[in-house]
Amino acid sequence: DAGVTQSPTHLIKTRGQQVTLRCSPKSGHDTVSWYQQALGQGPQFIFQYYEEEERQRGNFPDRFSGHQFPNYSSELNVNALLLGDSALYLCASSPGTGNRGYTFGSGTRLTVV
Amino acid sequence: AQSVTQPDIHITVSEGASLELRCNYSYGATPYLFWYVQSPGQGLQLLLKYFSGDTLVQGIKGFEAEFKRSQSSFNLRKPSVHWSDAAEYFCAVGPNTGFQKLVFGTGTRLLVSP
Repeated sequence: DAGVTQSPTHLIKTRGQQVTLRCSPKSGHDTVSWYQQALGQGPQFIFQYYEEEERQRGNFPDRFSGHQFPNYSSELNVNALLLGDSALYLCASSPGTGNRGYTFGSGTRLTVV
Repeated sequence: AQSVTQPDIHITVSEGASLELRCNYSYGATPYLFWYVQSPGQGLQLLLKYFSGDTLVQGIKGFEAEFKRSQSSFNLRKPSVHWSDAAEYFCAVGPNTGFQKLVFGTGTRLLVSP
């Protein structure tokens, strides 16, 4: 049973560029959430997708956007990259939107130079 | 404001010794509480969770945690640490209703000495 799959695992981008990160949720899970984990910090909630709609959003600028597809997979897009966007981006999936605990992927390490 | 405090940035424990990692939270209502573990370069794995009922909860890998409402704490314990337990541990809180969103602490890095 595949867990949460994220791609790519590592990525290097230049300031001002745009990036797309991808996530396939665990089988049976229909809700995807995205978190940003800066070095030495705990994960911070970016947003959550359910039924192809953004349901809740954390304190992140509009440069961060997302999408969920009918097969429940999701993308995280970040525009106009800043050096401060360098972080580990974690995708988490869950069955439904209730707070019963996530399954996390291994993350995408984004480095902005 | 919702927040989680993990006062210990690093903890070193001898293999076979007991472990306690501290977690204090600030939340407007009774939250759901979680402990996650993260190995280097990996995502987070759920160790245990508290929703309601018995305040002592058992998790995977021999870990347990106790919810103390009066102290707003949810400390993680293990009676005998193994070298493979070396990792980063995160405490998190979230709402008991509505959409899921977790607030994480800054983590405690556990080092295990031989």
